[in-house]
Amino acid sequence: EAGVTQFPSHSVIEKGQTVTLRCDPISGHDNLYWYRRVMGKEIKFLLHFVKESKQDESGMPNNRFLAERTGGTYSTLKVQPAELEDSGVYFCASSLGTSAQHFGDGTRLSIL
Amino acid sequence: GENVEQHPSTLSVQEGDSAVIKCTYSDSASNYFPWYKQELGKRPQLIIDIRSNVGEKKDQRIAVTLNKTAKHFSLHITETQPEDSAVYFCAAGFSGGYNKLIFGAGTRLAVHP
Repeated sequence: EAGVTQFPSHSVIEKGQTVTLRCDPISGHDNLYWYRRVMGKEIKFLLHFVKESKQDESGMPNNRFLAERTGGTYSTLKVQPAELEDSGVYFCASSLGTSAQHFGDGTRLSIL
Repeated sequence: GENVEQHPSTLSVQEGDSAVIKCTYSDSASNYFPWYKQELGKRPQLIIDIRSNVGEKKDQRIAVTLNKTAKHFSLHITETQPEDSAVYFCAAGFSGGYNKLIFGAGTRLAVHP
């Protein structure tokens, strides 16, 4: 069974540009989460989808971040326009019902 | 707000010794406590989790204990091996893996041969 996959693994962009991150959850998992780890600090929750619906978006930092999960399969997280403080590692996780969350390798985002 | 404090931030042990990492959570509604291990450049991997209806859970060399009254939970690794070297994250959540997880800041464990 394939795990959670994220693309790209690394992204380097300039301040003001747009970046889109993609996450493919484990097949059949209804829950999909986005988290972010900034500068060696804790992993922080951003957003939770149940199928295609946003269940909890209390962790989204501001309206420069837009997450979608059309069709309830893969998800994208777009940052527009990117700011320096957006740098970090963005993790996606998925789970089935109340089972444990499984993480992807993350996307390391660097804003110059 | 909700937070999880994790100590120590770094831990260095000799191979064969035990390692203990402690976490404290603030939200008394939390009832699910997973531990993740992240090796350098790899994804966080779930190594063990515990739900609030039990006080202890073991899996080979790894055990987790939970004190709901004090809102503390701990990870115990016995007979450490060099391959246990990694960053360990504790987390707290509600309703198993369904809701968001609140993570601690991580503990970098180094096991020296």
